[in-house]
Amino acid sequence: GESVGLHLPTLSVQEGDNSIINCAYSNSASDYFIWYKQESGKGPQFIIDIRSNMDKRQGQRVTVLLNKTVKHLSLQIAATQPGDSAVYFCAEGDSNYQLIWGAGTKLIIKP
Amino acid sequence: SQTIHQWPATLVQPVGSPLSLECTVEGTSNPNLYWYRQAAGRGLQLLFYSVGIGQISSEVPQNLSASRPQDRQFILSSKKLLLSDSGFYLCAWSLAGNIQYFGAGTRLSVL
Repeated sequence: GESVGLHLPTLSVQEGDNSIINCAYSNSASDYFIWYKQESGKGPQFIIDIRSNMDKRQGQRVTVLLNKTVKHLSLQIAATQPGDSAVYFCAEGDSNYQLIWGAGTKLIIKP
Repeated sequence: SQTIHQWPATLVQPVGSPLSLECTVEGTSNPNLYWYRQAAGRGLQLLFYSVGIGQISSEVPQNLSASRPQDRQFILSSKKLLLSDSGFYLCAWSLAGNIQYFGAGTRLSVL
């Protein structure tokens, strides 16, 4: 799967505020969803995942919400910090262990 | 713990020259291996993946090829580079699950 052809949407958030990054997925049969963070010039870094039998999962300062009815995934980052500035990708997993990638969202933290 | 190494980090090559990017994984056996390309400000495009030695699946027909001569070694090659081959190349690995772990990437500029 690929997500080429789309320029990255941008989300600007004040430092200390909460961020919500949204993602719509396409395959109703996908049973695994992952969020990645990619800082400039680096490879994507795994943040958090969620299986389709769950609708919420929490990590350290991050929460992923899954709404299978509307095929929507969101990543909530609490109390955003300058180090959270990055591009965030959602990805959905299928039975072939390949990932279908979203287009990515660029998160900018304003001081 | 598992680690993934990609090299070189940066490469500038003339049009028509050959290419060889190498990726190795340590600390695991029989991983799934992946090569992605990422254009500036864009998402990830899957180029090749491999589920075992000598097993290569191509996702996008193009000027590139991949090989897996050893269990934990994945090589991306080209006989003659094109300008359009410029981009950020990422190698990733996964086990029996969907989470893919990425290398630091290679920035290729074809001039």
